[in-house]
Amino acid sequence: KAGVTQTPRYLIKTRGQQVTLSCSPISGHRSVSWYQQTPGQGLQFLFEYFSETQRNKGNFPGRFSGRQFSNSRSEMNVSTLELGDSALYLCASSLESGYSTDTQYFGPGTRLTVL
Amino acid sequence: QQPVQSPQAVILREGEDAVINCSSSKALYSVHWYRQKHGEAPVFLMILLKGGEQKGHEKISASFNEKKQQSSLYLTASQLSYSGTYFCGTEGVNFGNEKLTFGTGTRLTIIP
Repeated sequence: KAGVTQTPRYLIKTRGQQVTLSCSPISGHRSVSWYQQTPGQGLQFLFEYFSETQRNKGNFPGRFSGRQFSNSRSEMNVSTLELGDSALYLCASSLESGYSTDTQYFGPGTRLTVL
Repeated sequence: QQPVQSPQAVILREGEDAVINCSSSKALYSVHWYRQKHGEAPVFLMILLKGGEQKGHEKISASFNEKKQQSSLYLTASQLSYSGTYFCGTEGVNFGNEKLTFGTGTRLTIIP
């Protein structure tokens, strides 16, 4: 079974631009979560989508948004990029939008650099 | 309310044992452990649930102290392949807004 895929793997943008990242979950998985990973803050939860609906949201500004399509693929958008948005963005898929025993499978990430 | 992991980094010789700790200030329902190698995605290791249920890697063992809101990951007879950064992710009993809250990680280096 194919794992979680993310595109693109690397991205360089300048301040003020916007960016869209894509995540394809494992086949059959309906939940997609997004995380931002930086050396200083570690892994921080952005949001989770399940059945095309945002189910949970972390403490990030409104410049960070996302959506999920009917095939469970998800996109994340960051508008008006700031230098501090430079990070590795990881998505993780799981079977259901539950908690506890739901194992999350991470993709390889998109490395975003904002200049 | 990010969980605190200790130690932040550790270097071991192959065959030695290691313990990585994760401590939270909130009441926990579950603790999830992941390992991430440089440039790769985090890989699931184990889930520990309130009440004692566990699910995960056969060669990894861990504990969850519900009273202290602490979890420990035990790596015995370490192998070179164990090198990486270990993260714990916690889920509170009140099912807050976040899927999982992760610690800042413990970097484990195994040398021959």
